[in-house]
Amino acid sequence: RKEVEQDPGPFNVPEGATVAFNCTYSNSASQSFFWYRQDCRKEPKLLMSVYSSGNEDGRFTAQLNRASQYISLLIRDSKLSDSATYLCVVNLIVLEYGNKLVFGAGTILRVKS
Amino acid sequence: DTEVTQTPKHLVMGMTNKKSLKCEQHMGHRAMYWYKQKAKKPPELMFVYSYEKLSINESVPSRFSPECPNSSLLNLHLHALQPEDSALYLCASSEQGLGMIAFFGQGTRLTVV
Repeated sequence: RKEVEQDPGPFNVPEGATVAFNCTYSNSASQSFFWYRQDCRKEPKLLMSVYSSGNEDGRFTAQLNRASQYISLLIRDSKLSDSATYLCVVNLIVLEYGNKLVFGAGTILRVKS
Repeated sequence: DTEVTQTPKHLVMGMTNKKSLKCEQHMGHRAMYWYKQKAKKPPELMFVYSYEKLSINESVPSRFSPECPNSSLLNLHLHALQPEDSALYLCASSEQGLGMIAFFGQGTRLTVV
């Protein structure tokens, strides 16, 4: 079983749509969680951190369910510029070794006019 | 300054060449990472340096040799690579501990011929 699993998509949605991505992780010792965005041939960039209380940044809402080991990202009012690959990232802190960031395979979003 | 700088941006090397990739950050981060990313795949962790000491080596072949000369610099020395090693090599840095956020450089696109 992969450490971090995501539906690879692609999700093809019209502008203005609401789209949701899910991610599951296998290691219950995972400590912190993130969504990164990666554009074609560019580096990953942090979209948002994910907390159990949920967090919202404009049109983006992220949620963590530790009991189910499940992370979600909701994008409202999709824009053409949201087209990218969304990477679910889990930080497994190995105390004597430091942080180990593990990436999911990524979910491709294509927003069309 | 939340920048991680990688050089060179592109590199073409023969299988008998020796080359080095360089990474620099001035955010005071004490953890630095090398990732390898193949096309349409997520980044895969290669090495983690924590306080300038190699803390995680994800069973990377010895033809890849990391080096951390000081807290701001991270190198990846390459020797006798194979064509299948062609990929985007990403450097990242972060603070240590819970809730850390990793910042990525733009990557070096490596082609082995």
